[in-house]
Amino acid sequence: KAGVTQTPRYLIKTRGQQVTLSCSPISGHRSVSWYQQTPGQGLQFLFEYFSETQRNKGNFPGRFSGRQFSNSRSEMNVSTLELGDSALYLCASRRGGFDPEKLFFGSGTQLSVL
Amino acid sequence: TQLLEQSPQFLSIQEGENLTVYCNSSSVFSSLQWYRQEPGEGPVLLVTVVTGGEVKKLKRLTFQFGDARKDSSLHITAAQPGDTGLYLCAGAWGSSNTGKLIFGQGTTLQVKP
Repeated sequence: KAGVTQTPRYLIKTRGQQVTLSCSPISGHRSVSWYQQTPGQGLQFLFEYFSETQRNKGNFPGRFSGRQFSNSRSEMNVSTLELGDSALYLCASRRGGFDPEKLFFGSGTQLSVL
Repeated sequence: TQLLEQSPQFLSIQEGENLTVYCNSSSVFSSLQWYRQEPGEGPVLLVTVVTGGEVKKLKRLTFQFGDARKDSSLHITAAQPGDTGLYLCAGAWGSSNTGKLIFGQGTTLQVKP
């Protein structure tokens, strides 16, 4: 069974640009969550999508947005990039509906903003 | 705002030594998970604890959940170089049926041969 796939693996952008990251969850998983990981702040929750609907949202500015498609694949978008957006962006999937439940993480997209 | 305090932040030990990592919060968790992350990879789930006082063992790793479900610990016996990595605790509040977890800052463990 394929794991969580995130693309691209690495990305370099400049300030002011926008970026779209993609996540393909494990087959059969309906929930996708996004996290930002930085050396200073650690892992912080961005948002969760379940069956194409946003279920939870973290404390990030509106420049961070996401969506989920009918096949459960998800994308997150960051507009007007800032230097502080440089981070490892991790996607995690779970089946959804189980309490508690395992989260399966992808390898992440390393974003560098210059 | 829920916060998870994890300690210590860094740990460098010799192969064969024992160690304990702690995770504390002022809030009651509905469940708590421990992950291990290696450089360039995403975190991998080691264990989930749900019941206060619960103890789970995974080979040389022992996980405890505090009676009040506000704290947890990870104990590694006879550490090996292969245990090197970043260990993260993560808690869920309210329903555990959620992809929203609050993570501790992590403990970077280095085990020297």
